[in-house]
Amino acid sequence: ETGVTQTPRHLVMGMTNKKSLKCEQHLGHNAMYWYKQSAKKPLELMFVYNFKEQTENNSVPSRFSPECPNSSHLFLHLHTLQPEDSALYLCASSPALGQPNYGYTFGSGTRLTVV
Amino acid sequence: GQNIDQPTEMTATEGAIVQINCTYQTSGFNGLFWYQQHAGEAPTFLSYNVLDGLEEKGRFSSFLSRSKGYSYLLLKELQMKDSASYLCAVVDSNYQLIWGAGTKLIIKP
Repeated sequence: ETGVTQTPRHLVMGMTNKKSLKCEQHLGHNAMYWYKQSAKKPLELMFVYNFKEQTENNSVPSRFSPECPNSSHLFLHLHTLQPEDSALYLCASSPALGQPNYGYTFGSGTRLTVV
Repeated sequence: GQNIDQPTEMTATEGAIVQINCTYQTSGFNGLFWYQQHAGEAPTFLSYNVLDGLEEKGRFSSFLSRSKGYSYLLLKELQMKDSASYLCAVVDSNYQLIWGAGTKLIIKP
């Protein structure tokens, strides 16, 4: 248990479905991140939130919609996904932006399969 | 562009030593991380280097040469549980993490 919890662990959805991924951290961190991890590829940063405010959107398609109601919770809303969106989606948190030496704490991820 | 290179896969024997290399070309440098990720699990922090040299932490050591854009992770007395992917990541001038694709390490008895 890392202190960052992601649910669900596995998700299979059709291309017309709407689903949400949830991330929760109780580490007192102020920055939270969504990453996409595909096989044999580097982690792709999707969204960054700092003190609940979105600071980065790395040209992510609008079918992915993040939400950060408070510093402890982060959601990723999914709709009309494509099969190529199948991947492991990782949530991470860190004490603050601009302080890299503290590192990131990751959740175990949601394995998403789009059929 | 920014680039992190590390071998895709390595195989080693239980009890042996293995060195996983990482070379980088980034816009600026504010440190380098190594993370371990077991299949289906969260990446977990192993080390952070910001100055040149070797840092030892138990069976694991991490080395950095900023002038060469090079780091390695050294694993000694390998155990079966060390079978995992090892991710190298560099913090660039904008404090963004630039990730390598990871090295899958297979340990054989």
